[in-house]
Amino acid sequence: AQSVTQLGSHVSVSEGALVLLRCNYSSSVPPYLFWYVQYPNQGLQLLLKYTSAATLVKGINGFEAEFKKSETSFHLTKPSAHMSDAAEYFCAVSVGDGNKLVFGAGTILRVKS
Amino acid sequence: DTGVSQDPRHKITKRGQNVTFRCDPISEHNRLYWYRQTLGQGPEFLTYFQNEAQLEKSRLLSDRFSAERPKGSFSTLEIQRTEQGDSAMYLCASSPGTNHYEQYFGPGTRLTVT
Repeated sequence: AQSVTQLGSHVSVSEGALVLLRCNYSSSVPPYLFWYVQYPNQGLQLLLKYTSAATLVKGINGFEAEFKKSETSFHLTKPSAHMSDAAEYFCAVSVGDGNKLVFGAGTILRVKS
Repeated sequence: DTGVSQDPRHKITKRGQNVTFRCDPISEHNRLYWYRQTLGQGPEFLTYFQNEAQLEKSRLLSDRFSAERPKGSFSTLEIQRTEQGDSAMYLCASSPGTNHYEQYFGPGTRLTVT
């Protein structure tokens, strides 16, 4: 079964520091992978998606992620954290004919001033 | 493009009562999904529609849950005889097609069963 694992339920960085949120996937077929962000009491907003084109995917708000098949990883990075980046981030894989999303447990990003 | 909307945003109900939530997808999106999210967890798939046809239901969707999408437009999710374990955020998402397109999420309906 396809699944994703997010390493670290909480990540804390200083403002201006590198953000690295980890996601590993398990899939028997080429995966379609997504990163979403969720602010408190809101729905999910798409940051970026991987759909088997370029392995380095650029998203909104300066985020990017690199698909590494050999490591079965799709880590999310941002060179310089901003206070407004504080939120919960979810990695997801698209599964089956219905393209339902299977989500990781999420990583809460805290940005310190 | 006004985005996915959900109504109500919050619902408090007593155990045993029935509740119904509504989702209005982005117009012309033919796929509509329902997910449930509990505190500290990622969303979990409940069911999805292709136009008006409900094509897949999760084992999480007990017989107390029913979803409809009449005419392939808005969708409703009804929970009968609510239980405290039903307390969660219910998220709706829509997607324009079948080719692993991204899903656009609504703001969710937070259900509290007392």
